[in-house]
Amino acid sequence: EIVLTQSPGTLSLSPGERATLSCRASQSVSSSFLAWYQQKPGQAPRLLIYGASSRATGIPDRFSGSGSGTDFTLTIIRLEPEDFAVYYCQQYGSSPRTFGQGTKVEIK
Amino acid sequence: QVQLQESGPGLVKPSETLSLTCTVSGASISSYFWSWIRQPPGKGLEWIGYINYIGSTSYNPSLKSRVTISVDTSKSQFSLKLSSVTAADTAVYYCASQRAFAPFDYWGQGTLVTVSS
Repeated sequence: EIVLTQSPGTLSLSPGERATLSCRASQSVSSSFLAWYQQKPGQAPRLLIYGASSRATGIPDRFSGSGSGTDFTLTIIRLEPEDFAVYYCQQYGSSPRTFGQGTKVEIK
Repeated sequence: QVQLQESGPGLVKPSETLSLTCTVSGASISSYFWSWIRQPPGKGLEWIGYINYIGSTSYNPSLKSRVTISVDTSKSQFSLKLSSVTAADTAVYYCASQRAFAPFDYWGQGTLVTVSS
């Protein structure tokens, strides 16, 4: 099983600032089959990024993903008020599918 | 636009079987893999397993001995059964869609299942 470790656990930032979230895998993620999701309280997760760096339909270009192998990053430039949420990485290259424990981006 | 809706009891007694159904609309059930994912209150996400339209399944080894996922193509539904539940199985249960080697692109709204006597 691939274990995904996200850091930091909580990121305290102000609107307009840049957020950098990390996801490290315990072994290489096949073909960069790595996704990022955003979850707000009381809502289902929403797909943001797939294939490590491709934005899902309708996702603003202030969200970007990068990385390969075992190290992946989600960057949000110029945080908007609606971006404060919990973010999860997930690998879908091997079974079982696994998620990171999440990074909470909170308003400073 | 694919839409998924979970349904089932919100309260299950310890040692009994949790049963949920997900109804799919806006897509052919033969076009995707169909997953169940859960999230204990205040915690992270755990993939339970998936099924495709011909009934092929894959389960998380951590739950495999207690999980059964089935599909009813005539009703555009798929279902989850989790046996011998304990309080640790209390969670919001989501159904979600994915293509082969693809992320979860559509999600249901989730349903809270509490295990308590």
